Amino acid sequence: DGGITQSPKYLFRKEGQNVTLSCEQNLNHDAMYWYRQDPGQGLRLIYYSQIVNDFQKGDIAEGYSVSREKKESFPLTVTSAQKNPTAFYLCASSHLWTAFPLSGANVLTFGAGSRLTVL
Amino acid sequence: QKEVEQNSGPLSVPEGAIASLNCTYSDRGSQSFFWYRQYSGKSPELIMFIYSNGDKEDGRFTAQLNKASQYVSLLIRDSQPSDSATYLCAVNAGGYQKVTFGIGTKLQVIP
Repeated sequence: DGGITQSPKYLFRKEGQNVTLSCEQNLNHDAMYWYRQDPGQGLRLIYYSQIVNDFQKGDIAEGYSVSREKKESFPLTVTSAQKNPTAFYLCASSHLWTAFPLSGANVLTFGAGSRLTVL
Repeated sequence: QKEVEQNSGPLSVPEGAIASLNCTYSDRGSQSFFWYRQYSGKSPELIMFIYSNGDKEDGRFTAQLNKASQYVSLLIRDSQPSDSATYLCAVNAGGYQKVTFGIGTKLQVIP
């Protein structure tokens, strides 16, 4: 079955450490996204990518980095520069809006999420 | 002004009633509007998307869009306790891939 796989599901980090969250999709989607969710808050966009080797900053990119070396993969690194990284991280993917506009192209499919806790 | 605004709730409705969830957005160029449902500790799942002014119905759910007022709503008819969740409104700007979410409205359906 097609879907998005995020790993690990739970991750604990010591202060000062970088950690990388994995996101893999087999939906043949061109666009991929990373969101962060804090308790009682909506989803805030960290980064998104529309094509291999290209990505754009979202609303809260500081302290995070991404890569898009393969269409299927969009890993997120939470660096030590991110001062408050404890959160629920969600990866999503979609078709490109330009593929078929106004026809559900950019409906997001989400992974199960990764919960990061800083010790 | 936030790009997508929702009342965080909680919105409490009795079982069998109609739940009305509202969302406003700031970018007049937005073309895609989505409602997602999120259960506690889970990832969001799509309920509906709407592009055109007016109503769009799918089972017990109706999405309503008014671009002139920059307003989108979701009606849930015959609310069930299993509908208790957080409902997230999401919007994208016209021609762009970025999808922005509101804070979500927590719905509680009381048996």
